[in-house]
Amino acid sequence: AQKVTQAQTEISVVEKEDVTLDCVYETRDTTYYLFWYKQPPSGELVFLIRRNSFDEQNEISGRYSWNFQKSTSSFNFTITASQVVDSAVYFCALSSYRDDKIIFGKGTRLHILP
Amino acid sequence: DGGITQSPKYLFRKEGQNVTLSCEQNLNHDAMYWYRQDPGQGLRLIYYSQIVNDFQKGDIAEGYSVSREKKESFPLTVTSAQKNPTAFYLCASSVRAKNIQYFGAGTRLSVL
Repeated sequence: AQKVTQAQTEISVVEKEDVTLDCVYETRDTTYYLFWYKQPPSGELVFLIRRNSFDEQNEISGRYSWNFQKSTSSFNFTITASQVVDSAVYFCALSSYRDDKIIFGKGTRLHILP
Repeated sequence: DGGITQSPKYLFRKEGQNVTLSCEQNLNHDAMYWYRQDPGQGLRLIYYSQIVNDFQKGDIAEGYSVSREKKESFPLTVTSAQKNPTAFYLCASSVRAKNIQYFGAGTRLSVL
C-alpha cells in the first residue's frame, strides 16, 4: 500500500526564519513520482514540484528547496527566509508509475507571523 | 487564459436533493479528477476519468456520480445517498494519468 505521512499538522514561524516541512512516504514500487503542492487561503492547489524516484538530486528554486532521500523515504521541503505570503497548507503527494492516482498527505498548515 | 473553472463557488443542498458541481477545463487535458477535502483529512479521490466516456471510482465514490461526455467537462453529482456531503470539492486535470495535476478553485458544499 502507498502512504504519505506529514507528521507536522501545523507550524508557526516568524517572518524571515527558515522552515522545513517533513514528508515521509511508503511504496513498494521502484518507480514513482513525488510532488509538493501549496494551498493558499483561496483554496486552489498550486503545483510546486515533481520528482522522479530515480532523480535524487536536491532542487532549489528561489527561496524553496527540496531534499529527496530514498534511504529514509523522505522528501522534505524547506522555505528559506520565509515571508507572510508563504502562509498556506502544503501537501506532499506520491504517485506510483503503475497507478493513475496521486496519494496526498494530510497537509501541513504553515503560519508565517509578521 | 487556460485553466480549470469550477462552479459554483458555494453551494447549498437540502435534504434528499441531488446537486451537480461543474468542472470545465480548456487545457486540452485527457485526464480529469474529483477530490473531496475535509478539515485535517487531506484530499481524497472520488472519481477520475482518463478519456471521454470512461471513468473509474476512486477511494470514496459512494453517494457520488460523474459523466464525461466531453473532453472539457467532468461534472460531479452529489446524490441524496451521500449522507455527509459538507466538504470542499476540488477538480483537477492532467495531460494524462500520472502527470502533474492542475486544480480548480474549488466548490464549497454545505447542507441546509
